[in-house]
Amino acid sequence: ELKVEQNPLFLSMQEGKNYTIYCNYSTTSDRLYWYRQDPGKSLESLFVLLSNGAVKQEGRLMASLDTKARLSTLHITAAVHDLSATYFCAVDTRYGGATNKLIFGTGTLLAVQP
Amino acid sequence: NAGVTQTPKFQVLKTGQSMTLQCAQDMNHNSMYWYRQDPGMGLRLIYYSASEGTTDKGEVPNGYNVSRLNKREFSLRLESAAPSQTSVYFCASSLIPYNEQFFGPGTRLTVL
Repeated sequence: ELKVEQNPLFLSMQEGKNYTIYCNYSTTSDRLYWYRQDPGKSLESLFVLLSNGAVKQEGRLMASLDTKARLSTLHITAAVHDLSATYFCAVDTRYGGATNKLIFGTGTLLAVQP
Repeated sequence: NAGVTQTPKFQVLKTGQSMTLQCAQDMNHNSMYWYRQDPGMGLRLIYYSASEGTTDKGEVPNGYNVSRLNKREFSLRLESAAPSQTSVYFCASSLIPYNEQFFGPGTRLTVL
């Protein structure tokens, strides 16, 4: 059974600081997704990582994928309050198949303090 | 282009009542999904539909049924609601082969 673990589950950080959220998964997969969810809102797609070594950047967020280590990271640079949200990673369980089934991590609640 | 829409936004049911959650997408996507989200947990897949005319069980299908009405619409039915089904329900869709899933706004369901 595929398991997806994120850590930390909660992260309180100061504005201007850097930090990394980790996403570990337990079986082979070459596709990983990062989503953002604001309180009471839906999920917004941030990054799609489709191969080993993939790196994507958008603003202060950068995501990477190491399929050999079964690890993805979401790095936050010089955090600002607007980045406060819950971040989920999701792993594709049927790579190359008819459709994808995503298994989500439990999420990391990020609170950026002034 | 509305993306993925869901109705209703909120619903309160009594134990044993039935209801159908509606989902529609206008992105010409092939695959559609129903998830539930509970506090402190990620999203769990209830059912999915790879293409029009097909449906398959996800991680937590018990107590639910689905219908892929056409390419645009995918409904989720609770035949006899239970308090354990209190949750936020999200519908999503994706275009194969890119597989990035786009989510609707969610339905907050409370079963008393």
